[in-house]
Amino acid sequence: GIQVEQSPPDLILQEGANSTLRCNFSDSVNNLQWFHQNPWGQLINLFYIPSGTKQNGRLSATTVATERYSLLYISSSQTTDSGVYFCAVSGSRLTFGEGTQLTVNP
Amino acid sequence: KAGVTQTPRYLIKTRGQQVTLSCSPISGHRSVSWYQQTPGQGLQFLFEYFSETQRNKGNFPGRFSGRQFSNSRSEMNVSTLELGDSALYLCASSPRAGANTGELFFGEGSRLTVL
Repeated sequence: GIQVEQSPPDLILQEGANSTLRCNFSDSVNNLQWFHQNPWGQLINLFYIPSGTKQNGRLSATTVATERYSLLYISSSQTTDSGVYFCAVSGSRLTFGEGTQLTVNP
Repeated sequence: KAGVTQTPRYLIKTRGQQVTLSCSPISGHRSVSWYQQTPGQGLQFLFEYFSETQRNKGNFPGRFSGRQFSNSRSEMNVSTLELGDSALYLCASSPRAGANTGELFFGEGSRLTVL
């Protein structure tokens, strides 16, 4: 099956810093989503982005489908950005990466 | 528009018992899929239902089963519980099934502890 790799596995930032999270996938996909898992376990949708670039406030994402990767940018990070960020690919049978644990310190 | 609703949110069972979890999708969504999240295995696909039919199944033993009703609500059942079944069970809904499912939306999850 398709493989999804996320990097880095852990990231520690000071408030106000910028960061880039990466997601590599092993095959062509028709669905790619980025999620933020909140402390209670719910997966919050950030972007549905099988290709192209999208922005939502301080967050933006780019997927280059032909090169099989996606990037999530977080600018001016805040402590509330802390948590685990997941990339997931493919159709209704999503395959998740292992996630990036982000910690933003005040 | 209400989101995906999962019940119960928390439950504790003992080994050998069975458990039923419920998921109500977003209104108008006909596809429901289930995922298991554990610290050791991460997030893994369990199964997907669309129009009351199981469309896809992950690599889980037969103790894990599910169904979908005509109103798109779905239930999953785990029989003969084992300690390793302790996990967060997440349900997702989407408007379509298969390769072009569109965006998936997740519920808050049901956290199962098996003692």
